[in-house]
Amino acid sequence: AQSVAQPEDQVNVAEGNPLTVKCTYSVSGNPYLFWYVQYPNRGLQFLLKYITGDNLVKGSYGFEAEFNKSQTSFHLKKPSALVSDSALYFCAVRDPLFSGNTPLVFGKGTRLSVIA
Amino acid sequence: DAGITQSPRHKVTETGTPVTLRCHQTENHRYMYWYRQDPGHGLRLIHYSYGVKDTDKGEVSDGYSVSRSKTEDFLLTLESATSSQTSVYFCATWDRVGEKLFFGSGTQLSVL
Repeated sequence: AQSVAQPEDQVNVAEGNPLTVKCTYSVSGNPYLFWYVQYPNRGLQFLLKYITGDNLVKGSYGFEAEFNKSQTSFHLKKPSALVSDSALYFCAVRDPLFSGNTPLVFGKGTRLSVIA
Repeated sequence: DAGITQSPRHKVTETGTPVTLRCHQTENHRYMYWYRQDPGHGLRLIHYSYGVKDTDKGEVSDGYSVSRSKTEDFLLTLESATSSQTSVYFCATWDRVGEKLFFGSGTQLSVL
């Protein structure tokens, strides 16, 4: 079975500092990995994904994520945090070895607070 | 939000009443999903559909049913609402070209 863990419920960072939101995964094959962001009273918005290729993936709003197969991790990073980055972040995984279109499995989310 | 409309946006209902939430998409995506979002649980899959009249259960399907009579519409029904079904419900569709999920804006459901 596929699963995702986001070990931190809350991450606080000062504006201008680098940020990292952690994600680890478990799948039987090579994973498809995703990050989504949710702003208050909104649906989830796609940030970036890893399917194959370069382990460093760049996405929207200056975010990037690094796929590390040996550590089964896919941490979300940004070099310089903005107050407007404050939101709820979800990591998700899909195991493409399953037949059909296996739905994404989401982590529990990490709330990021960027303090001015 | 990529052509996905959920209705209603907010609903308050009483325990024991049936409730239907609607998801309408204009993207012609084949795969559609219903998730619920609860604090401490993230998003959990309720049901999903892989085509008209083709549906399957997710991890938290008890007490819910779905129907998909047209590509564009995916209905979620709470057969007899309970307080434990108070939640925010999200519909999503899978973009096979872009290989990502698109989400609707959600329905806030309160069961009193």
